[in-house]
Amino acid sequence: DAGVIQSPRHEVTEMGQEVTLRCKPISGHNSLFWYRQTMMRGLELLIYFNNNVPIDDSGMPEDRFSAKMPNASFSTLKIQPSEPRDSAVYFCASSWTGRNNEKLFFGSGTQLSVL
Amino acid sequence: SQQGEEDPQALSIQEGENATMNCSYKTSINNLQWYRQNSGRGLVHLILIRSNEREKHSGRLRVTLDTSKKSSSLLITASRAADTASYFCATVGLSGNTPLVFGKGTRLSVIA
Repeated sequence: DAGVIQSPRHEVTEMGQEVTLRCKPISGHNSLFWYRQTMMRGLELLIYFNNNVPIDDSGMPEDRFSAKMPNASFSTLKIQPSEPRDSAVYFCASSWTGRNNEKLFFGSGTQLSVL
Repeated sequence: SQQGEEDPQALSIQEGENATMNCSYKTSINNLQWYRQNSGRGLVHLILIRSNEREKHSGRLRVTLDTSKKSSSLLITASRAADTASYFCATVGLSGNTPLVFGKGTRLSVIA
C-alpha cells in the first residue's frame, strides 16, 4: 500500500487566492482526519470524517475553510480566501476506526505558504 | 480537552544514552499513543497503550501508563542518531470514539 497520499507537497500562494489541498487515504480505512501544524499551536485537529460523513468540524478556524469527502478514497480541504496566518503544514491522516480508535497513518503533509 | 502535554520540550543526549519523555493529560482515556515525527515528514505511530495496561515494550521502546496520575512516559534505550525527531503523545477519550488529540511534542536530539 502506498500509504496516505497528499498533494501538493508544497504550495505558495498570494493572500486572497483559493487553495485546495488533496488527500487519498489508505484503502479500506473508514476515518479521515485533517490536522494543521504550526510552531505556535502544535498539531490541531481541523475536521474528521467517518464513512465519508463529517463528524466534527469544530476545529475548522472559520468559514474560509471547508472540507469534503465525496467518496472513500478522496478528500479535499479548501481555503477561500487564503490569508498569511493560514501558513502551516496541513496533514491528512486515516485509520480504521472500529469500536476503539486505533492508530493513525499520516501523509507527508502539504507545506502551505500564503504571502 | 484531552490534550497531552509532553515534558521536556527539548532533550539533547549522547548516542547510547537512554531518553525519557513524559506526557500528562487531563481526563480519563481509552488509550494513549506515541508518535514520532522526523523533520519535514508526517507522524509515524510508535506504540499504543490501553487504559488497563501499565507497561508496554516494542524493541528499544518502553512505555508506561499511570492512570491515577494521568501520565505516561516513553523510554528509548541505547539511543541512536537516527532517533533524532520530535515525539508526541496523543490520547483517545474514554468512549474510544473520539479523535486523537496531540500535545506539542518533545524535540529529541541524539548526538553521535
